[in-house]
Amino acid sequence: AQTVTQSQPEMSVQEAETVTLSCTYDTSESDYYLFWYKQPPSRQMILVIRQEAYKQQNATENRFSVNFQKAAKSFSLKISDSQLGDAAMYFCAYSTSGTYKYIFGTGTRLKVLA
Amino acid sequence: SAVISQKPSRDICQRGTSLTIQCQVDSQVTMMFWYRQQPGQSLTLIATANQGSEATYESGFVIDKFPISRPNLTFSTLTVSNLSPEDSSIYLCSVVQGVSYEQYFGPGTRLTVT
Repeated sequence: AQTVTQSQPEMSVQEAETVTLSCTYDTSESDYYLFWYKQPPSRQMILVIRQEAYKQQNATENRFSVNFQKAAKSFSLKISDSQLGDAAMYFCAYSTSGTYKYIFGTGTRLKVLA
Repeated sequence: SAVISQKPSRDICQRGTSLTIQCQVDSQVTMMFWYRQQPGQSLTLIATANQGSEATYESGFVIDKFPISRPNLTFSTLTVSNLSPEDSSIYLCSVVQGVSYEQYFGPGTRLTVT
């Protein structure tokens, strides 16, 4: 069975600085998708970034980028120029190609310090 | 991306009663899911809501406790039956549009059972 692990329950970053959130996963599949979602206190889940396993290039969305290491089964999220609005719970998620179902990690609470 | 609404946004229910949560999408979608998020926890998939057929439940979730309807491609309901305090959670619906594997989430329903 697939698993997703986020080993950092909580992280803090100074405003305008850079922070990296860690995620590791376990799967025997070769074709899958990885996601980072943000859940602010309002609880609306927002998709931050997506990575297809078959793509070697790391995904980037504005200030958000990932470091995808397929062999190591690692999928970290880097947030550059952190803003107060980035404060939220961040969830890493995995989906095997063809199933559309997600497996979520336990989440990392990010605090942004002014 | 799809715009998803849920009703009610929150409710307080008595033990032994039931609550039905509605999920409405502004466009036709291929797949809809229901998740539970217990306080301070990650998201756990309850079931996949299949249009025109019975929902597909994940391990640990049963139809008698969590009956789901999906009468068309834009609407679904989740009922949480015979409520106990352990059912106090946030319940979220999500949808997949096309074949992107990206899920879009509703704002959630916060259920408190007294």
